[in-house]
Amino acid sequence: DAMVIQNPRYQVTQFGKPVTLSCSQTLNHNVMYWYQQKSSQAPKLLFHYYDKDFNNEADTPDNFQSRRPNTSFCFLDIRSPGLGDAAMYLCATSRGLEIEQYFGPGTRLTVT
Amino acid sequence: QQPVQSPQAVILREGEDAVINCSSSKALYSVHWYRQKHGEAPVFLMILLKGGEQKGHEKISASFNEKKQQSSLYLTASQLSYSGTYFCGTEGYTGNQFYFGTGTSLTVIP
Repeated sequence: DAMVIQNPRYQVTQFGKPVTLSCSQTLNHNVMYWYQQKSSQAPKLLFHYYDKDFNNEADTPDNFQSRRPNTSFCFLDIRSPGLGDAAMYLCATSRGLEIEQYFGPGTRLTVT
Repeated sequence: QQPVQSPQAVILREGEDAVINCSSSKALYSVHWYRQKHGEAPVFLMILLKGGEQKGHEKISASFNEKKQQSSLYLTASQLSYSGTYFCGTEGYTGNQFYFGTGTSLTVIP
């Protein structure tokens, strides 16, 4: 059974056109994370939610926003995608901080 | 702030052993280890908390030296299924800082 689900798996958007990626979980975990992973690089944490508390990494561009309307869902909004935002976006969940993270399959974003 | 892993890449024959190292410039509270196969999401292997503990997971084990801010992952009697990129992930004592390491590509050949 899928535990962390990301939709869509592949997303193509145009330069400057807002796009939203979604993540849902059936684990009832408190923490949800968004990572950006570019080719041959490590995943880079963008931000995370601990319940409703939003925590933004210092170097995450303002172009990236997130929403968590309830425990199960979390969204990544890219307001004006640039060519440099093309990447795999990974969602992960955990019961708490400092505990193992469970990753979704990712959404590969292409910007044309 | 990103932990540095060594080696960057390693090729093993089935049955051989390998050690992957992870080194941080900051004090660490915990170290995670993940494996990511090409085109897939990272999969959790183990977590080590401060206290210099060592953990095992089948033929994969790890150690954490808090004083040296280092962790090592040990793979013994490697299997083809061990191939992938291994990442350490580190958490510090302050703030919400989780960083993946630079990654180590491991290939096991028959």
